[in-house]
Amino acid sequence: GENVEQHPSTLSVQEGDSAVIKCTYSDSASNYFPWYKQELGKGPQLIIDIRSNVGEKKDQRIAVTLNKTAKHFSLHITETQPEDSAVYFCAASPKGSGNTGKLIFGQGTTLQVKP
Amino acid sequence: EAQVTQNPRYLITVTGKKLTVTCSQNMNHEYMSWYRQDPGLGLRQIYYSMNVEVTDKGDVPEGYKVSRKEKRNFPLILESPSPNQTSLYFCASSSTGTKNIQYFGAGTRLSVL
Repeated sequence: GENVEQHPSTLSVQEGDSAVIKCTYSDSASNYFPWYKQELGKGPQLIIDIRSNVGEKKDQRIAVTLNKTAKHFSLHITETQPEDSAVYFCAASPKGSGNTGKLIFGQGTTLQVKP
Repeated sequence: EAQVTQNPRYLITVTGKKLTVTCSQNMNHEYMSWYRQDPGLGLRQIYYSMNVEVTDKGDVPEGYKVSRKEKRNFPLILESPSPNQTSLYFCASSSTGTKNIQYFGAGTRLSVL
């Protein structure tokens, strides 16, 4: 089945710097790759996603890139702010999931932005 | 307001005492799912449901039960909890007609002594 590996597990940056989180997946048939942000005491919330027919997607300070050949995708956060501090999860939609809603999540990255 | 509501938020129990964590969504979503979150392991799916009366095992179903008698509710049942089920649990729902955007509840932190 699908397996998603996420790195690094923790990341500390200075406010204003960029942060990059990387994920690799095993199932070449996966076609949907969302990123979720989990703030302290809350459930994960979708922040950006990308489909396999697109190489890059941006939304203000966040962007996601996808390399289908290498089977990896990355989250880029520019001009980081203290409120970006959270746990970030990548996920992939495994083969056969279609519109079922099933996602396989990475292990999570704890991002700390120092003021 | 669209939301997924879990109860209770915190629960401390003892080994073997049956418990139920409730989950309810008000978005008329077909798909509902339970995850557990453990340090270094991310979110692992326990059970999921495609619709009323349709449930299936996720990746870590041992020791858990679910039911889906109504579209909005998807309770998680631990018949005989054990300490290795101490974890943070999340319920999620999504519509199957669009992207797999999952909406999560706020979580239930369970400690089994």
